[in-house]
Amino acid sequence: VQLVQSGAEVKKPGASVKLACKASGYRFTNHGIQWVRQVPGQNLEWMGWINAGNGDTKYSQKFQGRVTITRDTSASTVSLDLGSLKSEDTAVYYCARDEGWWLDPWGQGTLVTVSS
Amino acid sequence: DIQMTQSPSSLSASVGDRVTITCRASQSISSHLNWYQQKPGQAPKLLIYAASHLQSGVPSRFSGSGSGTDFTLTISSLQLGDFATYYCQQSYSAPQITFGQGTRLDIK
Repeated sequence: VQLVQSGAEVKKPGASVKLACKASGYRFTNHGIQWVRQVPGQNLEWMGWINAGNGDTKYSQKFQGRVTITRDTSASTVSLDLGSLKSEDTAVYYCARDEGWWLDPWGQGTLVTVSS
Repeated sequence: DIQMTQSPSSLSASVGDRVTITCRASQSISSHLNWYQQKPGQAPKLLIYAASHLQSGVPSRFSGSGSGTDFTLTISSLQLGDFATYYCQQSYSAPQITFGQGTRLDIK
């Protein structure tokens, strides 16, 4: 079981970023995917979740309106779109398989740097 | 939202020490509590799920206990590879989850 995330991104304030998380080693539609971010030196912060089977989503209130999570079942890939980027969005973004009650495994993380 | 509070925020210990980290929930979460280990530059790794169940492959010196609002992670005899940051995470309100602020475990 493995989650492989897309590579690092550098974006300007106000731009959008789309991150990918490709799953392998299990039946993709049987598990949800969570997205969690970590600002350098800070805590883990939940962003949102998708049911990979039916596409249902739930988002943190903090990101509501500027985050969208989608999935492509043919490619076993989940994507996270984050818009209206600010410098405070500079962070490592992780995807993780939702085992129903716990997260395992995690992707390797994608560093997003927002800078003018 | 359910808030998770870990203590201490940081801890210094020696190889061979017994260490306990505490996590408190702002409301009862039954046994929906998980523990993760994160080393610098790495993704978090699941150690304990459902409060007390050891994830496959995790050494038996790690153990978890608790239910309701108070939980503990214990490392019975610290090894060099255990120096890391530890996070608790509640899944009672899944898929909306929250993490504790982390406990950094350093070598004394």
